Amino acid sequence: DTGVSQNPRHKITKRGQNVTFRCDPISEHNRLYWYRQTLGQGPEFLTYFQNEAQLEKSRLLSDRFSAERPKGSFSTLEIQRTEQGDSAMYLCASIKQGGVNTEAFFGQGTRLTVV
Amino acid sequence: AQSVTQLDSHVSVSEGTPVLLRCNYSSSYSPSLFWYVQHPNKGLQLLLKYTSAATLVKGINGFEAEFKKSETSFHLTKPSAHMSDAAEYFCVVSDWTGGYNKLIFGAGTRLAVHP
Repeated sequence: DTGVSQNPRHKITKRGQNVTFRCDPISEHNRLYWYRQTLGQGPEFLTYFQNEAQLEKSRLLSDRFSAERPKGSFSTLEIQRTEQGDSAMYLCASIKQGGVNTEAFFGQGTRLTVV
Repeated sequence: AQSVTQLDSHVSVSEGTPVLLRCNYSSSYSPSLFWYVQHPNKGLQLLLKYTSAATLVKGINGFEAEFKKSETSFHLTKPSAHMSDAAEYFCVVSDWTGGYNKLIFGAGTRLAVHP
């Protein structure tokens, strides 16, 4: 499979615990995005990487959230001290270098449930 | 700032009847617009995109969308619904103000198709 891969697909955690998600983009794509989708809403932008550089972070990304993309390949999103409000689907997308019309490819997401 | 408004949160049609999913956009410059579909337990998939080459855009699975600048609309249509079309549909605008394409999603329209 050469699409965007996200792991795990599902994560249930207790409030206060730390969680980490992984995204493996399509190999030649240098741009990587994280989005969050809550029930009944469209995905909301969280952060963007161009190669290994994190170029933008949404105000939705509190200081409990951190994302990395070492070596410009896979990316991780960590949430520290999880809260019930963090329960959502976390989506990763990658784009090949290109213009404003370039298609984004999305992974299947990681569904986080904080209990 | 770019934004999209999907006018219907739910649309229900009978199999074989036409589909219309409405989307209005707000953009300070010529927008890049997309429709994505999300089936349960699957990743977001691109249906079609407006690239300014033609106002009537044809996508996969028989879907079309027409860009109307005067109405700031980009409605999605299909002449005859199929059961497999039941899914969540997102209208998306690409924001290029940061020097890269950040996708801004609408809240989504859930399409139900009845026998």
